[in-house]
Amino acid sequence: DAKTTQPPSMDCAEGRAANLPCNHSTISGNEYVYWYRQIHSQGPQYIIHGLKNNETNEMASLIITEDRKSSTLILPHATLRDTAVYYCIVRVNNAGNMLTFGGGTRLMVKP
Amino acid sequence: KAGVTQTPRYLIKTRGQQVTLSCSPISGHRSVSWYQQTPGQGLQFLFEYFSETQRNKGNFPGRFSGRQFSNSRSEMNVSTLELGDSALYLCASSSSRGANTGELFFGEGSRLTVL
Repeated sequence: DAKTTQPPSMDCAEGRAANLPCNHSTISGNEYVYWYRQIHSQGPQYIIHGLKNNETNEMASLIITEDRKSSTLILPHATLRDTAVYYCIVRVNNAGNMLTFGGGTRLMVKP
Repeated sequence: KAGVTQTPRYLIKTRGQQVTLSCSPISGHRSVSWYQQTPGQGLQFLFEYFSETQRNKGNFPGRFSGRQFSNSRSEMNVSTLELGDSALYLCASSSSRGANTGELFFGEGSRLTVL
């Protein structure tokens, strides 16, 4: 699986959009981009995933650059409950339950 | 719909002992995987089971083992515990579709402390 690079920490004001970047410059054509988050003392939570098109769900939006070498997770209106570690993961589809987690970005949403 | 249930939530063992952790997946999910989370190594994949068969295995010593039962419940066992085995052990389950698309549902974990 391709490696990902994320900033170790970010701050965001409550109510503002949180934009979390991820670099995956060695991504292969059949690898997807996944985002998970882990709120303190809980198990990771799936957020969203995509291949090359931008994706949106009730939690977030995923913007993938045209060359697929980077992506951005957008939380449109961050709340204090969005304070968590956010993991960007790249892997092929049909790979079962095996995910390779990196260090993630610790997002702190401040009032 | 109940989530992934892990028991026990907390436990303390001493070096050399063995431990068994249990995971009940979401109803209907047949894929179960286990992860270890430590401050130093982060989240690491241990193994995955599907229909009672181990499908993938991470880079852990043979002291770490697991199994899955016909009702999809899973257990993992760590024998001859070492101090470095102190960690949060997380179980995740997925539907057949989710196993292909990477949408896993995690439990809250079992926190093991080895003294």
